[in-house]
Amino acid sequence: AQSVAQPEDQVNVAEGNPLTVKCTYSVSGNPYLFWYVQYPNRGLQFLLKYITGDNLVKGSYGFEAEFNKSQTSFHLKKPSALVSDSALYFCAVRDTAAGGGNKLTFGTGTQLKVEL
Amino acid sequence: KAGVTQTPRYLIKTRGQQVTLSCSPISGHRSVSWYQQTPGQGLQFLFEYFSETQRNKGNFPGRFSGRQFSNSRSEMNVSTLELGDSALYLCASSTGATGYSYEQYFGPGTRLTVT
Repeated sequence: AQSVAQPEDQVNVAEGNPLTVKCTYSVSGNPYLFWYVQYPNRGLQFLLKYITGDNLVKGSYGFEAEFNKSQTSFHLKKPSALVSDSALYFCAVRDTAAGGGNKLTFGTGTQLKVEL
Repeated sequence: KAGVTQTPRYLIKTRGQQVTLSCSPISGHRSVSWYQQTPGQGLQFLFEYFSETQRNKGNFPGRFSGRQFSNSRSEMNVSTLELGDSALYLCASSTGATGYSYEQYFGPGTRLTVT
């Protein structure tokens, strides 16, 4: 069974500093990985995905993620954090045994807090 | 292009009742998935519909069911509500083409409270 782990419940960073939100995965076969963000009382917003190709994936709002196959990681990064980035971030993996469907398995989420 | 819409946004029901939630996907999207979000269990996959057929199903009891219409709109139904069914129910749509993993776009959710 596929799974993702987000080892940090909360990450605190000062505005202007780089941020990293960690994610590790466990899959059979090639991983299809995603990052989503959730603001209070809102649904999830897609940030970026890794399917194949370049290990550095660029996404929305200045976010990027680095895929590392040997470490089975897919960490989310941003060079300079903004207060408005404060939200709940989810890493997810597509279930490749799902017959081509779109079943996602999510991590437990990491609350990012960016302070002035 | 309009996003994913879900109705109603908030719902309060009593134990034992049933409830129907609705989701309208992005125009042109044929796949609709449903997820349950709770503080204790996090985000859990309920089921996915593609071209009016259930393509995937999560580990939820039979009280949870869904369907999809020819215009790709989807509904999910929960019968005999329990207190533990209180959650944010999220709908997500994607183009759904088999064999390729498209990102999913989520609606704002329906907040269900069971008393």
